Amino acid sequence: GAGVSQTPSNKVTEKGKYVELRCDPISGHTALYWYRQSLGQGPEFLIYFQGTGAADDSGLPNDRFFAVRPEGSVSTLKIQRTERGDSAVYLCASSSQGSGTSGSSYNEQFFGPGTRLTVL
Amino acid sequence: QQQVKQSPQSLIVQKGGISIINCAYENTAFDYFPWYQQFPGKGPALLIAIRPDVSEKKEGRFTISFNKSAKQFSLHIMDSQPGDSATYFCAAREGSARQLTFGSGTQLTVLP
Repeated sequence: GAGVSQTPSNKVTEKGKYVELRCDPISGHTALYWYRQSLGQGPEFLIYFQGTGAADDSGLPNDRFFAVRPEGSVSTLKIQRTERGDSAVYLCASSSQGSGTSGSSYNEQFFGPGTRLTVL
Repeated sequence: QQQVKQSPQSLIVQKGGISIINCAYENTAFDYFPWYQQFPGKGPALLIAIRPDVSEKKEGRFTISFNKSAKQFSLHIMDSQPGDSATYFCAAREGSARQLTFGSGTQLTVLP
C-alpha cells in the first residue's frame, strides 16, 4: 500500500518568495502532522490536523507559516516571505483515528520522505 | 527548551556488538516513548515503543529499557549489523497531545 507522499522532494527558492509544500497522507488516516527537521536535529512539531481543522498549531514559528487541509486528506504547508532560516526538511506524518490508549501502536505516526527546502 | 535529551550524538560499533542510546526527559506527563530509525533521504520510521507501565520491551534485536523514577529510557540494539547504520531518534508524547517531542538524534555506524 502507498505510504505518505510529499511533493516536491526538493524546493529551492529565493529569500522573500512564497512556497507551498504538499502532503498526501495514507488513505483513511484522519490525523495529519507537519514537522520541521533542521540539519543534525530531530523533527520539531509545527501543526496537527484532525480531519479538516487544525487541532494544534502551537508549533508554527510565526505568522509567515500557514497550513490547510480543506477536504480532510491532502494538506498544504504555506510559507510566505521565506527567510534563509526556513531552510530545513519539512516532514509530514499521518495516523489513524484511534482511542489513543489501546493497542501497541498507540496511533503510530507514519512519516513521509520530506521536502527539502533551501532558501537562498 | 529541550524536553528530551539524547546521547550520544554519534556511535560507532563493531558488527555483532551492542549499541546503546540513552534519552532523558523532564515532562512527567509524557506517557508514550517511541524510537524512530531514519535513513538518509527518508522519513523517520517507528522502530519500537514503550509505555511507562512496563520497564522493558523487546522486539527481535531491539530492546527498550525504561526507568520511570529516573525519567530515562534507552534503546539497546543487540548483534548490531551494518544495515542498522542510521540515525536513531527517541521521542515522547504527552497523553493529552498528539504531537511527538523528539531527541536530537544519534548517528549509528556499524562497522563490518
